[in-house]
Amino acid sequence: QSALTQPPSASGSPGQSVTISCTGSISDVGTYNSVAWYQQYPGKAPKLIIYGVTKRPSGVPDRFSGSKSGNTASLTVSGLQAEDEAHYFCTSYGTGNDFRVFGGGTKLTVL
Amino acid sequence: EVQLVESGGALVQPGGSLRLSCAASGFTFSNYWMSWFRQAPGGGLECVATINPDASEIHYVSAVKGRFSISRDNAKNSVFLQVTSLRAEDTAVYYCARDAFAYASDVWGQGTTVTVSS
Repeated sequence: QSALTQPPSASGSPGQSVTISCTGSISDVGTYNSVAWYQQYPGKAPKLIIYGVTKRPSGVPDRFSGSKSGNTASLTVSGLQAEDEAHYFCTSYGTGNDFRVFGGGTKLTVL
Repeated sequence: EVQLVESGGALVQPGGSLRLSCAASGFTFSNYWMSWFRQAPGGGLECVATINPDASEIHYVSAVKGRFSISRDNAKNSVFLQVTSLRAEDTAVYYCARDAFAYASDVWGQGTTVTVSS
């Protein structure tokens, strides 16, 4: 069972916006601004798309944005494109049993 | 080109050991924290070990403490993961990654597969 909770699936039509949630606790997401999001295509390595809750690495489109409220972080994908169909994982620093905790992943489908 | 290339994955019997290697190129390796991740078939990501630039600070996920050991050789631009007492649940693709930001990894290798089975 993952330390962070993500919905197993999400979907949206091209051009729409979709938000994926990532719920943790006061021991991780709620206290530390170290939430990161990764995009992963089948059979490929993950790609960092958000770090430090809201920051985008160079080259990541500004259609991807991150936010946090309380113990829940969110990834919003605006202007959905077919290429956004992938798995998305959230992670955070944590002070529980493990120092880096992960969500179970969300499969984003572009309808 | 910034690149990480893993090697050393194999089919191994329960209780066996392996040494995974990750060769880095295209950046100043000795400046970065490095991590090993794994992903079981159809499963989520897990960061199994992290090491700081001079190897003075190391972290392990609780599931591998006492069985896995991370190390690095800055002269050879390489990071290693010694995995011992392997169990079926250690079966996964193992990735090495560069930690460019706090607890966020911006460069990943292609992965190496460890299968634990009799």
